[in-house]
Amino acid sequence: DAGVTQTPRHEVAEKGQTIILKCEPVSGHNDLFWYRQTKIQGLELLSYFRSKSLMEDGGAFKDRFKAEMLNSSFSTLKIQPTEPKDSAVYLCASSFWNTEVFFGKGTRLTVV
Amino acid sequence: GQQVQQSPTSLVLQEGENAELQCNFSTSLNSMQWFYQRPGGSLISVFYNPSGTKQSGRLTSTTVIKERRSSLHISSSQITDSGTYLCAMERNSAGNKLTFGIGTRVLVRP
Repeated sequence: DAGVTQTPRHEVAEKGQTIILKCEPVSGHNDLFWYRQTKIQGLELLSYFRSKSLMEDGGAFKDRFKAEMLNSSFSTLKIQPTEPKDSAVYLCASSFWNTEVFFGKGTRLTVV
Repeated sequence: GQQVQQSPTSLVLQEGENAELQCNFSTSLNSMQWFYQRPGGSLISVFYNPSGTKQSGRLTSTTVIKERRSSLHISSSQITDSGTYLCAMERNSAGNKLTFGIGTRVLVRP
């Protein structure tokens, strides 16, 4: 069984660039989440989709972060424009309704 | 304040020792989940535990939803158990999004 797949695994961007991170959830899952993980803040929710509908986007992240889910098997997270403080690991996760949540391996973003 | 409080924040064990990690929640919750993470690694689900006790090998999770707490017991610790253990809760009426604690960093020494 394929788990949650995230690409790329690593991304280096210059300040001001636009980057797009990709995620494929577990087949059949209808909940999809984007989280950001840093040493200082820990895990923070960026966006939450249920059956492709946006349920929540983290208030503090609305400004330059936009997650989309054009179909049930693919989601993107766009950061535009990037800033050095966006350097973090971005994690995608999925679940089937209110059950166990599975995470991808993450994308490590470095903004210079 | 923190909705998910984990203790201790860090723990050093001699190989073979047992340990208990605690997780307390400040709001009512539907379920909770324990994750394991190595430095630079991904989050691996260890237990999905809406309530009661579950065991997997040397790990045991006990969750009491009404008392808003969960524990993770590690028995006969091994060096490969080193890493960070995070607990997360799914709140009532919040979909299935998880709110995480800051984690317990475990180091098992030979």
